[in-house]
Amino acid sequence: AQSVAQPEDQVNVAEGNPLTVKCTYSVSGNPYLFWYVQYPNRGLQFLLKYITGDNLVKGSYGFEAEFNKSQTSFHLKKPSALVSDSALYFCAVRDGGGYQKVTFGTGTKLQVIP
Amino acid sequence: NAGVTQTPKFQVLKTGQSMTLQCAQDMNHNSMYWYRQDPGMGLRLIYYSASEGTTDKGEVPNGYNVSRLNKREFSLRLESAAPSQTSVYFCASSQGSMGNQPQHFGDGTRLSIL
Repeated sequence: AQSVAQPEDQVNVAEGNPLTVKCTYSVSGNPYLFWYVQYPNRGLQFLLKYITGDNLVKGSYGFEAEFNKSQTSFHLKKPSALVSDSALYFCAVRDGGGYQKVTFGTGTKLQVIP
Repeated sequence: NAGVTQTPKFQVLKTGQSMTLQCAQDMNHNSMYWYRQDPGMGLRLIYYSASEGTTDKGEVPNGYNVSRLNKREFSLRLESAAPSQTSVYFCASSQGSMGNQPQHFGDGTRLSIL
């Protein structure tokens, strides 16, 4: 069975500092990995995905994520945090071995402090 | 661009009442999904439809039914609402039917069962 873990319920970072939101996964085949962001009272918005290819994936709003197969991780990063980045972030995984369903993590609240 | 539209946005029901949550997408997507979001539990898949005419159970289908009315519309029905079904419900859609494409989400229906 596939699973995904976001070990931090909340991450606090000062504006202008780099940010990292952690995600680890477990699948039986090759993973399809996604990051989404959710602002208050809104649905999730797609940020970026990894299917295959370069381990560093660039996405919307200056976010990027690094795929690490040996550590089964897909951490979300941004070089310089903005107050407007404060939101709830979800990692998601789909097992490339054949499942159609995507499993979402429990979410990490990012708080960027001015 | 409307994307994914959910109605209603808010609803309060009494235990035992029934209701249908409506979802429509205008992106010509094959796959559609219903999730519920509860604090600390992330998104849990209730039902999904990989293509018009097909539906399958997700992680938490008990107490719910769905109808894929046509390619655009995917409705979720609560036949006899229970307080445990108090949640925020999200509809999503994606291109293709293999779960390797990003999902597009509506802004949710906030449902309270008294």
